[in-house]
Amino acid sequence: LAKTTQPISMDSYEGQEVNITCSHNNIATNDYITWYQQFPSQGPRFIIQGYKTKVTNEVASLFIPADRKSSTLSLPRVSLSDTAVYYCLVGPGGGADGLTFGKGTHLIIQP
Amino acid sequence: NAGVTQTPKFRVLKTGQSMTLLCAQDMNHEYMYWYRQDPGMGLRLIHYSVGEGTTAKGEVPDGYNVSRLKKQNFLLGLESAAPSQTSVYFCASRGSTSPLHFGNGTRLTVT
Repeated sequence: LAKTTQPISMDSYEGQEVNITCSHNNIATNDYITWYQQFPSQGPRFIIQGYKTKVTNEVASLFIPADRKSSTLSLPRVSLSDTAVYYCLVGPGGGADGLTFGKGTHLIIQP
Repeated sequence: NAGVTQTPKFRVLKTGQSMTLLCAQDMNHEYMYWYRQDPGMGLRLIHYSVGEGTTAKGEVPDGYNVSRLKKQNFLLGLESAAPSQTSVYFCASRGSTSPLHFGNGTRLTVT
């Protein structure tokens, strides 16, 4: 299973763009990259998923370079409500392995 | 469409007592997972299942047992609870390439 490494914490301000990078050097060919958001006392919530290049949805963008050894979650114009823990998860698209999380990035947004 | 439902939401056990946590999903997902999350920590995989009748060990399986007799249900059992098992337990499910869908968690305290 591909291990992931993320910054433990990040700070930013309302209205700024925030980029969180995740390293996954031993990603396998059939692995997808998925990002989750978790608020206190809640289960993680899906944000975005990608395999290569760039993916964009209504809340975020995900940038994946050609070698796929890292990925960057981009949150445009963050607000206070984006304060949460963000997890990068790398796992088999249809495989049988368990999905293990890293320690996540605690993002704190200030006014 | 309820998604992933966990029962109970809260529970207090005495050391040595047993209990079963129930996870039910209505999305016809093949894969189901049990995670635990200690205060201020990330999620750790306890056990998982890749289909009805199958289970596998995750990162921290000791002290827990699981069963997947029906596709929609994944049970987590504690035969003899210990204070070290005080945690928040999250169940998740997914389809073959879909992201994880999490329940709202079960808060377990063992005294």
